[in-house]
This record gives sequence, C-alpha cells and structure tokens, in this order.
Amino acid sequence: QVQLVQSGAEVKKPGASVEVSCKASGYTFTNNYLHWVRQAPGQGLEWMGMINPSGGSTRYPQKFQGRVIMTRDTSTSTVYMELSSLRSGDTAIYFCARQQQWLGHFDYWGQGTLVTVSS
Amino acid sequence: DIQMTQSPSTLSASVGDRVTITCRASQSITSWLAWYQQKPGKAPNLLIYKASSLESGVPSRFSGSGAGTEFTLTISSLQPNDFATYYCQQYYSYPWTFGQGTKVEI
Repeated sequence: QVQLVQSGAEVKKPGASVEVSCKASGYTFTNNYLHWVRQAPGQGLEWMGMINPSGGSTRYPQKFQGRVIMTRDTSTSTVYMELSSLRSGDTAIYFCARQQQWLGHFDYWGQGTLVTVSS
Repeated sequence: DIQMTQSPSTLSASVGDRVTITCRASQSITSWLAWYQQKPGKAPNLLIYKASSLESGVPSRFSGSGAGTEFTLTISSLQPNDFATYYCQQYYSYPWTFGQGTKVEI
C-alpha cells in the first residue's frame, strides 16, 4: 500500500533552516510528482511547491522562491523540503502529498510534521 | 494566481441533513478541482477529483459538480463521521491554490 512517512517534529530559532523528509513506499517512486503543503495553526492549506522525483525538477510559488529547496534521493525513495530564514509565521504543520500520476490531484498524504519557530 | 473562495466558512447542520458547500474560482479552471476532508490533527483526505469523480472508497453520499468557475460539494445525508473541515483545490494552473475551508459542525 502507498505510504508517505515524514520525519519528526522540529523546533527552530528564527533565522535558522529546517529540513523535513518524506519517505515513499508502496509504488514506483519516480512515477509521481511529490508536493509540499503547509498549514499554520488554525489556518487553511498552502501549497509550497513540487518536485519531480524522476529528474529532480522543481516548481515553487513566488512566495517561497529563494527560501525553499526541494530535493530527492531515488536510492531511498525520499524527498526533502528545506525552508530557510525561518520566522514565527513559518510555524506550521508541513505535509508531503503525492500527485496522482495523470490527473493531478493529491491522492496520498504524509502524516504531517510540526515545525515550530520560536526564540 | 487563481483565488478560490468557499462559502460558507462555517456550516451548522444535523445528522441526516443535506449539505452543500460552494467553491468559486477567480477564473475558469475547467474541471481541474478536487475536494478534501480534514479532521483535527490529521492530513487531508481526498473525496472528489476532476470536479465530480468520486475517489475510490469514499461513500456515495459525497458528490461534486460544476465546471468553469463554480463548483459544489454535496453530502446527501450528513453522518456523524462527516463533521470536519472541507477544502477545495484547483490544479488548473500554478501556483495551485486552496479555498479557505468550510467547517461543518453540529
């Protein structure tokens, strides 16, 4: 069965960077794009970007350009999301999500990783 | 960016009620719209994709309709397990965007 398992909670100081991982299993890793979505406490869902595990190409929204980097390791079927220059507004749960191969919606999600930014 | 606007933001309903949530896009997204259900502390769960296709395993009381800029999610007979927050999402063009959510409460 398809599973996306994320790394554990993080506490970071303002200005620092955080890296969250998402390990995929149960399907061919390179067949589906993987995305990152975050949710601030009590707020809605915000798309942070995507990576093509096959070639490593990425796409980020303007809001996160220059602050986010998504990478992948095909040997371990894992994608990584690094967010730098953290501020309190980055406190959120970060989810990875698999894009359905042909139609584009998110058919599987990771369990989420809480990142807390606090001095 | 395409703005997605859901209404209402909160909906009070009872078990057995028919519930409709609306999602409007700021420009046409044809049928590239998904609906997700989210419960507290959990990841979102896919209900509907391509505006009206029911995801496998999702109860048939959930249905989606619409095209272009206006879409609806309908729950034909609300069950206790359906009290949650619902989000629409467009995947017509980047950046992909979500509605602000509709909380369905008792």
